[in-house]
Amino acid sequence: GAVVSQHPSWVICKSGTSVKIECRSLDFQATTMFWYRQFPKQSLMLMATSNEGSKATYEQGVEKDKFLINHASLTLSTLTVTSAHPEDSSFYICSATKRTSGYTDTQYFGPGTRLTVL
Amino acid sequence: QKEVEQNSGPLSVPEGAIASLNCTYSDRVSQSFFWYRQYSGKSPELIMSIYSNGDKEDGRFTAQLNKASQYVSLLIRDSQPSDSATYLCAVNAGTASKLTFGTGTRLQVTL
Repeated sequence: GAVVSQHPSWVICKSGTSVKIECRSLDFQATTMFWYRQFPKQSLMLMATSNEGSKATYEQGVEKDKFLINHASLTLSTLTVTSAHPEDSSFYICSATKRTSGYTDTQYFGPGTRLTVL
Repeated sequence: QKEVEQNSGPLSVPEGAIASLNCTYSDRVSQSFFWYRQYSGKSPELIMSIYSNGDKEDGRFTAQLNKASQYVSLLIRDSQPSDSATYLCAVNAGTASKLTFGTGTRLQVTL
């Protein structure tokens, strides 16, 4: 199997506060984890690539000081949205990659975290 | 710029029919191809992966890959209302695991 969990599944917070989202691969060690954001009726947008023990690689236009990523182990990555504002309200989804053949990784997605900033 | 193109739809098919979803990609070095299904308000779920030219079947799903023409397709046989979702085509260009996603095709299976 390849199960990825996220916690929390939804969160409501006040503007200016920070929110931490956890992503865990439950039955495999992930070579890499990714963080995506998706606004209603829009496509997945890759935010950053996260590797265990190294700094995350952020996509162009994503503020690394606002979206802090920590990849503490091969099964856990966290995304912290710092000083959240209403425009950060979105569906945040992580994925974890599992080596499925000699040279291929497959991404398995977590269930997502719906963030609402008031 | 590496691109993955899909028709946004909606693609409407009657229950029991075959749904055909298509995807083209621009990067010729692409090696791995994936289809994900995403229900409204949920995260993507892996349906199929394909790496070699030809067909790959899994239950009601068949993925088809033609690297020379740079397209990959997904056929859903005996379509059910529960198949109604957005189908995302994703391409991996090599050993790096980053995927390039298409914008998705919305499938509606009607009764």
